[in-house]
Amino acid sequence: DAKTTQPNSMESNEEEPVHLPCNHSTISGTDYIHWYRQLPSQGPEYVIHGLTSNVNNRMASLAIAEDRKSSTLILHRATLRDAAVYYCILRDVWGGADGLTFGKGTHLIIQP
Amino acid sequence: EAQVTQNPRYLITVTGKKLTVTCSQNMNHEYMSWYRQDPGLGLRQIYYSMNVEVTDKGDVPEGYKVSRKEKRNFPLILESPSPNQTSLYFCASRDRDGANVLTFGAGSRLTVL
Repeated sequence: DAKTTQPNSMESNEEEPVHLPCNHSTISGTDYIHWYRQLPSQGPEYVIHGLTSNVNNRMASLAIAEDRKSSTLILHRATLRDAAVYYCILRDVWGGADGLTFGKGTHLIIQP
Repeated sequence: EAQVTQNPRYLITVTGKKLTVTCSQNMNHEYMSWYRQDPGLGLRQIYYSMNVEVTDKGDVPEGYKVSRKEKRNFPLILESPSPNQTSLYFCASRDRDGANVLTFGAGSRLTVL
């Protein structure tokens, strides 16, 4: 799987939008962009994924650059419960056997 | 509720005493896998299973065994645990689709003395 680069940590204020960046310059045409998050003392949790177009769901939005070499996870109004480690992961749509490869992610800190 | 259930959630054991961490999913998923999480190393895959009776090694399989006799269960077996297997373990499952969205269990924290 292609590699992703994320900042080690980010800090934001409660009730403000948060933009979490991810660079994936070696992305291939068949790679999905996935985001997971891991809250303290819990297992990773799926957030959102996309291939080419921007995506929205109840948790977040995913903005994908036109050249697909970067993407941004957007939390529209952060709460204290959004404090977690956020992982940006690429996965080949034709990939079969193995699971997702988790890097170190971005530790998001939310200030009240 | 759709979920992946792991047991035990916490376990302290001694070197060499065989143990099994159970994993069960109620979503009829074909694919299941085990990960371990260690500080500074992130999540690493131990074993995975594409379907019943089909298992394969992940990135760090040494010292572990798995079995997949039923679709819903995927136990992780440590035949002779050692202190370097002290870790936080996660089981996950997914359905057969191209998006590869995983559902994770809550984790099992294992300490080997």
